Amino acid sequence: DAGVTQSPTHLIKTRGQQVTLRCSPKSGHDTVSWYQQALGQGPQFIFQYYEEEERQRGNFPDRFSGHQFPNYSSELNVNALLLGDSALYLCASSFSGSTEAFFGQGTRLTVV
Amino acid sequence: AQSVTQLGSHVSVSEGALVLLRCNYSSSVPPYLFWYVQYPNQGLQLLLKYTSAATLVKGINGFEAEFKKSETSFHLTKPSAHMSDAAEYFCAVTITGTASKLTFGTGTRLQVTL
Repeated sequence: DAGVTQSPTHLIKTRGQQVTLRCSPKSGHDTVSWYQQALGQGPQFIFQYYEEEERQRGNFPDRFSGHQFPNYSSELNVNALLLGDSALYLCASSFSGSTEAFFGQGTRLTVV
Repeated sequence: AQSVTQLGSHVSVSEGALVLLRCNYSSSVPPYLFWYVQYPNQGLQLLLKYTSAATLVKGINGFEAEFKKSETSFHLTKPSAHMSDAAEYFCAVTITGTASKLTFGTGTRLQVTL
């Protein structure tokens, strides 16, 4: 079992650009959540996808959007990047109704 | 809205000593509480969870936590620290009973010295 896999592992982008991060959930999981972890902080919930729809959303602007595909994999898109978007982006997968989320290794995004 | 507060951003213990990491929660409804560990350049790994069953919860790697409603606490303990326990520890809460919208604390970095 490959667990939760995220790509790429590291990324450097310029202010104003757009970025897409990818996540493949653990086998058998149908729900994907995205978190932003700034340096020295705890993860902050961005949004969650289930059955290809956004089910819950945290306090993030519309520049942050996502998608879930029929195979349950997911993408996080961020438009008009700001320096403050520099962070570790974590993907977590779970089976709907379960209390346990499994996290990927994250994508380290640096905006310069 | 629910929240957690982790007291102490850094904790240092000697190898073999007791580990105590503090977490207090705030929630208007019965919470579900979690402890996660994060090693450098890694994602989060679940240590243990409280889901309204037993108040004393045992997790992996010898860690345990006790849910105390009267104190709104969910402190993490381990009787004897090992060098491999050095990491960042996060307390998290959700009110839905499922793995959705976890609210994390700011984390406690555990240092283990010889």
